[in-house]
Amino acid sequence: AQTVTQSQPEMSVQEAETVTLSCTYDTSESDYYLFWYKQPPSRQMILVIRQEAYKQQNATENRFSVNFQKAAKSFSLKISDSQLGDAAMYFCAYRSRDDKIIFGKGTRLHILP
Amino acid sequence: DAGVIQSPRHEVTEMGQEVTLRCKPISGHNSLFWYRQTMMRGLELLIYFNNNVPIDDSGMPEDRFSAKMPNASFSTLKIQPSEPRDSAVYFCASSLHLSGNTIYFGEGSWLTVV
Repeated sequence: AQTVTQSQPEMSVQEAETVTLSCTYDTSESDYYLFWYKQPPSRQMILVIRQEAYKQQNATENRFSVNFQKAAKSFSLKISDSQLGDAAMYFCAYRSRDDKIIFGKGTRLHILP
Repeated sequence: DAGVIQSPRHEVTEMGQEVTLRCKPISGHNSLFWYRQTMMRGLELLIYFNNNVPIDDSGMPEDRFSAKMPNASFSTLKIQPSEPRDSAVYFCASSLHLSGNTIYFGEGSWLTVV
C-alpha cells in the first residue's frame, strides 16, 4: 500500500524568505501523480501544485515550485518570497493509478512578520 | 461554476443520534471521495466511488458508517449511531476519473457529537 510521509509537523519562515517543505512517499507503481494542497484556517483545501511522475521537469506555479526526485521518492515544495497569506497547513498527496488519493499528515507553516 | 457542495456545514448532535452528511459533486465529475479530518489522524480516506460504484471502502472505520451514491450528482455519508469520537470535519471531493486529474474539495461538514 502506498504511504505519504511529511516529517515536519511545523515550520516557521520569515516573511520574504524561502522555505522548503518535505514529503516522501512509498509506492511500487511507476506512473502516478503528486500534489500539494494548502489548507488555511478556513479549512478549505486549495490545490497548490501538481506533478506528473513521468515528467522529469519540476512543476512550478509562480512562487511555488517542487523538487521531484523519483528514484528517492521525494517531493518537496519550495515557497519563495513567503507572504503572510501563505500561513496554512500544507498537505502532500499521492494519486495512484487505481484512483486512490492518499494524504500525508501535513506541515503547519507559520510566517513571521 | 459551482464547486463541490456539502451540507450541513456544521452539525452538533447527541451521542446515539443518526447523522447524514450530503455532497453534490462538480457536474461532470465521475469520481467522488469522502475524507475525515481530525487532529490525531489527519486526513483519512473513508471511501471513494467511480461512476457511482463504491471502489474502496477500506477506510470506513466501522459498521456504523455507510455511504451511498444513488446518482452522479449526489452522495451521502451516514453515521448511525453517532459517538463523540466521530467528531471531525468530513470532506467530500470530486474529480474526473483519470489518475492525473486534480480533486476538488467541498468546504467540509463540521460534526460535533456530544
